[in-house]
Amino acid sequence: EGQLVESGGNLVQPGGSLKLSCEASGFSFGGSAMHWVRKASGKGLEWIGRIRSKGNNYATEYAASVKGRFSISREDSRNTAYLQMNSLKIEDTAVYYCSRSVAGQFDYWGRGTQVTVSP
Amino acid sequence: QLVLTQSPSASASLGASVNLTCTLKTGHSTYAIAWHQQQPEKGPRYLMRLDSDGRHIKGDGIPDRFSGSSSGAERYLTISSLQSEDEADYYCQTWGSGVVVFGGGTKLTVL
Repeated sequence: EGQLVESGGNLVQPGGSLKLSCEASGFSFGGSAMHWVRKASGKGLEWIGRIRSKGNNYATEYAASVKGRFSISREDSRNTAYLQMNSLKIEDTAVYYCSRSVAGQFDYWGRGTQVTVSP
Repeated sequence: QLVLTQSPSASASLGASVNLTCTLKTGHSTYAIAWHQQQPEKGPRYLMRLDSDGRHIKGDGIPDRFSGSSSGAERYLTISSLQSEDEADYYCQTWGSGVVVFGGGTKLTVL
Protein backbone atom coordinates (compact mmCIF):
# COMPACT_ATOMS: atom_id res chain seq x y z
CA GLU A 1 0.00 0.00 0.00
CA GLY A 2 1.20 3.47 -0.84
CA GLN A 3 2.59 5.82 1.78
CA LEU A 4 3.31 9.53 1.70
CA VAL A 5 5.35 11.44 4.28
CA GLU A 6 5.45 15.23 4.29
CA SER A 7 8.20 17.25 5.93
CA GLY A 8 9.58 20.77 6.07
CA GLY A 9 6.80 22.57 7.88
CA ASN A 10 7.90 25.40 10.18
CA LEU A 11 7.17 28.81 11.63
CA VAL A 12 7.97 31.55 9.12
CA GLN A 13 7.45 35.30 9.00
CA PRO A 14 5.08 36.96 6.52
CA GLY A 15 6.84 37.48 3.21
CA GLY A 16 9.14 34.55 3.83
CA SER A 17 9.67 31.30 1.94
CA LEU A 18 9.48 27.63 2.78
CA LYS A 19 9.93 24.39 0.85
CA LEU A 20 7.95 21.27 1.74
CA SER A 21 8.82 17.73 0.71
CA CYS A 22 6.64 14.68 0.15
CA GLU A 23 8.40 11.32 0.05
CA ALA A 24 6.46 8.43 -1.51
CA SER A 25 6.76 4.67 -1.22
CA GLY A 26 4.75 1.58 -2.10
CA PHE A 27 3.53 2.66 -5.54
CA SER A 28 4.81 3.77 -8.93
CA PHE A 29 5.68 7.36 -8.08
CA GLY A 30 7.03 8.22 -11.51
CA GLY A 31 3.74 7.38 -13.20
CA SER A 32 1.56 9.27 -10.74
CA ALA A 33 0.20 12.79 -10.58
CA MET A 34 0.96 14.37 -7.21
CA HIS A 35 -1.06 17.07 -5.46
CA TRP A 36 -0.76 19.42 -2.51
CA VAL A 37 -3.81 20.20 -0.36
CA ARG A 38 -4.05 22.29 2.78
CA LYS A 39 -6.40 22.61 5.73
CA ALA A 40 -6.50 25.74 7.85
CA SER A 41 -7.86 25.52 11.37
CA GLY A 42 -11.65 25.60 11.34
CA LYS A 43 -11.83 25.35 7.55
CA GLY A 44 -12.13 22.60 4.99
CA LEU A 45 -9.69 21.04 2.57
CA GLU A 46 -8.33 23.38 -0.10
CA TRP A 47 -6.59 22.11 -3.24
CA ILE A 48 -3.36 23.97 -3.93
CA GLY A 49 -2.04 22.39 -7.09
CA ARG A 50 -0.77 19.39 -9.00
CA ILE A 51 2.21 18.15 -10.96
CA ARG A 52 1.63 15.51 -13.59
CA SER A 53 3.96 12.67 -14.53
CA LYS A 54 6.86 12.71 -16.97
CA GLY A 55 4.57 11.14 -19.55
CA ASN A 56 2.40 14.26 -19.22
CA ASN A 57 5.38 16.60 -19.46
CA TYR A 58 5.42 17.36 -15.73
CA ALA A 59 2.58 19.83 -16.35
CA THR A 60 1.48 21.86 -13.34
CA GLU A 61 -1.78 23.54 -12.38
CA TYR A 62 -2.47 25.76 -9.37
CA ALA A 63 -5.38 27.20 -7.45
CA ALA A 64 -5.96 30.91 -7.97
CA SER A 65 -5.18 31.62 -4.30
CA VAL A 66 -1.54 30.51 -4.66
CA LYS A 67 -0.76 31.00 -8.36
CA GLY A 68 2.41 33.00 -8.82
CA ARG A 69 3.56 32.42 -5.22
CA PHE A 70 3.70 28.63 -4.93
CA SER A 71 5.31 26.11 -7.27
CA ILE A 72 5.32 22.32 -7.35
CA SER A 73 8.19 20.19 -8.59
CA ARG A 74 9.25 16.57 -8.36
CA GLU A 75 12.33 14.38 -8.36
CA ASP A 76 11.30 10.95 -9.61
CA SER A 77 14.71 9.43 -8.78
CA ARG A 78 14.04 10.25 -5.11
CA ASN A 79 10.27 9.46 -5.21
CA THR A 80 9.74 12.97 -3.85
CA ALA A 81 7.47 15.88 -4.67
CA TYR A 82 8.08 19.43 -3.46
CA LEU A 83 6.04 22.53 -2.72
CA GLN A 84 7.99 25.79 -2.86
CA MET A 85 6.10 28.57 -1.10
CA ASN A 86 7.16 32.20 -1.54
CA SER A 87 5.70 35.51 -0.36
CA LEU A 88 3.92 33.70 2.44
CA LYS A 89 0.90 35.34 4.05
CA ILE A 90 -0.68 34.81 7.45
CA GLU A 91 -3.63 33.17 5.71
CA ASP A 92 -1.31 30.45 4.34
CA THR A 93 -1.12 29.04 7.88
CA ALA A 94 -2.41 25.47 7.61
CA VAL A 95 -1.55 21.81 7.68
CA TYR A 96 -0.22 20.86 4.25
CA TYR A 97 -0.88 17.42 2.80
CA CYS A 98 0.38 15.70 -0.31
CA SER A 99 -1.74 13.20 -2.18
CA ARG A 100 -1.62 11.00 -5.24
CA SER A 101 -4.39 10.93 -7.81
CA VAL A 102 -5.43 8.10 -10.10
CA ALA A 103 -8.06 8.81 -12.77
CA GLY A 104 -8.95 11.96 -10.86
CA GLN A 105 -9.60 10.74 -7.34
CA PHE A 106 -7.03 11.04 -4.56
CA ASP A 107 -6.23 7.57 -3.20
CA TYR A 108 -3.19 8.08 -0.98
CA TRP A 109 -2.70 10.85 1.56
CA GLY A 110 0.08 11.83 3.90
CA ARG A 111 -0.29 12.83 7.56
CA GLY A 112 0.56 16.44 6.84
CA THR A 113 3.07 19.04 7.99
CA GLN A 114 2.24 22.26 9.86
CA VAL A 115 3.09 25.63 8.34
CA THR A 116 2.61 28.67 10.54
CA VAL A 117 3.05 32.17 9.13
CA SER A 118 3.33 34.70 11.93
CA PRO A 119 5.31 37.90 12.70
CA GLN B 1 -17.25 26.41 -12.45
CA LEU B 2 -17.02 23.22 -10.45
CA VAL B 3 -18.77 23.52 -7.08
CA LEU B 4 -19.65 20.84 -4.52
CA THR B 5 -22.12 21.54 -1.72
CA GLN B 6 -22.28 19.63 1.56
CA SER B 7 -24.28 20.19 4.73
CA PRO B 8 -21.94 21.42 7.50
CA SER B 9 -23.06 18.86 10.06
CA ALA B 10 -24.89 15.61 10.61
CA SER B 11 -25.52 13.34 13.55
CA ALA B 12 -26.78 9.83 14.19
CA SER B 13 -26.80 7.30 17.01
CA LEU B 14 -24.32 4.54 17.62
CA GLY B 15 -25.36 1.49 15.57
CA ALA B 16 -27.67 3.47 13.30
CA SER B 17 -27.21 4.48 9.66
CA VAL B 18 -26.56 7.92 8.19
CA ASN B 19 -26.60 9.37 4.68
CA LEU B 20 -24.29 12.23 3.79
CA THR B 21 -25.00 14.22 0.64
CA CYS B 22 -22.75 15.99 -1.83
CA THR B 23 -24.43 18.06 -4.55
CA LEU B 24 -22.82 18.97 -7.84
CA LYS B 25 -23.57 22.36 -9.36
CA THR B 26 -26.05 22.46 -12.24
CA GLY B 27 -24.39 21.41 -15.47
CA HIS B 28 -22.00 18.98 -13.82
CA SER B 29 -24.44 16.24 -12.82
CA THR B 30 -22.51 13.55 -14.74
CA TYR B 31 -19.26 14.09 -12.86
CA ALA B 32 -17.73 11.40 -10.69
CA ILE B 33 -16.66 12.29 -7.17
CA ALA B 34 -14.59 10.78 -4.41
CA TRP B 35 -15.39 10.60 -0.69
CA HIS B 36 -12.72 11.13 1.94
CA GLN B 37 -12.81 10.81 5.74
CA GLN B 38 -10.71 12.89 8.11
CA GLN B 39 -10.68 11.84 11.74
CA PRO B 40 -9.47 14.35 14.34
CA GLU B 41 -5.72 15.02 14.22
CA LYS B 42 -5.22 12.65 11.27
CA GLY B 43 -4.63 12.99 7.55
CA PRO B 44 -7.53 12.41 5.18
CA ARG B 45 -8.37 8.86 4.14
CA TYR B 46 -9.77 7.88 0.74
CA LEU B 47 -13.08 6.04 1.06
CA MET B 48 -14.34 5.57 -2.48
CA ARG B 49 -14.83 6.86 -5.97
CA LEU B 50 -18.52 7.29 -6.89
CA ASP B 51 -19.71 7.59 -10.50
CA SER B 52 -22.91 9.21 -11.73
CA ASP B 53 -24.52 5.81 -12.28
CA GLY B 54 -23.90 4.81 -8.67
CA ARG B 55 -20.97 2.51 -9.30
CA HIS B 56 -18.41 2.92 -6.58
CA ILE B 57 -14.89 1.64 -6.05
CA LYS B 58 -13.72 1.59 -2.45
CA GLY B 59 -10.22 2.12 -1.16
CA ASP B 60 -8.17 -0.64 0.42
CA GLY B 61 -9.51 -1.78 3.76
CA ILE B 62 -12.69 0.30 3.71
CA PRO B 63 -15.38 -1.67 5.55
CA ASP B 64 -18.58 -2.86 3.88
CA ARG B 65 -20.45 -0.48 6.21
CA PHE B 66 -19.48 2.31 3.83
CA SER B 67 -21.36 2.51 0.53
CA GLY B 68 -22.19 5.09 -2.12
CA SER B 69 -25.05 5.90 -4.46
CA SER B 70 -26.03 8.62 -6.94
CA SER B 71 -29.18 10.36 -8.10
CA GLY B 72 -28.95 13.16 -10.64
CA ALA B 73 -26.53 15.75 -9.30
CA GLU B 74 -26.49 14.23 -5.82
CA ARG B 75 -23.88 11.85 -4.53
CA TYR B 76 -24.46 9.97 -1.29
CA LEU B 77 -22.27 8.32 1.27
CA THR B 78 -24.11 5.85 3.49
CA ILE B 79 -22.53 4.61 6.69
CA SER B 80 -24.37 1.78 8.41
CA SER B 81 -23.88 0.29 11.89
CA LEU B 82 -22.25 3.51 13.04
CA GLN B 83 -19.26 3.17 15.30
CA SER B 84 -17.60 5.76 17.50
CA GLU B 85 -14.57 5.93 15.19
CA ASP B 86 -16.84 7.09 12.35
CA GLU B 87 -17.06 10.46 14.05
CA ALA B 88 -15.08 12.57 11.60
CA ASP B 89 -15.24 15.15 8.83
CA TYR B 90 -16.31 13.82 5.45
CA TYR B 91 -15.33 15.56 2.22
CA CYS B 92 -16.39 15.01 -1.35
CA GLN B 93 -13.97 15.84 -4.16
CA THR B 94 -14.27 16.20 -7.90
CA TRP B 95 -12.03 17.24 -10.78
CA GLY B 96 -12.10 18.60 -14.30
CA SER B 97 -10.55 21.16 -16.67
CA GLY B 98 -7.27 21.10 -14.77
CA VAL B 99 -8.69 21.86 -11.34
CA VAL B 100 -9.69 19.90 -8.27
CA VAL B 101 -12.52 20.96 -5.98
CA PHE B 102 -13.52 19.86 -2.50
CA GLY B 103 -16.87 20.30 -0.85
CA GLY B 104 -16.94 22.24 2.40
CA GLY B 105 -17.12 19.04 4.42
CA THR B 106 -19.70 17.51 6.76
CA LYS B 107 -18.88 17.03 10.42
CA LEU B 108 -20.48 13.76 11.55
CA THR B 109 -21.25 13.34 15.22
CA VAL B 110 -22.01 9.86 16.55
CA LEU B 111 -24.38 10.16 19.50
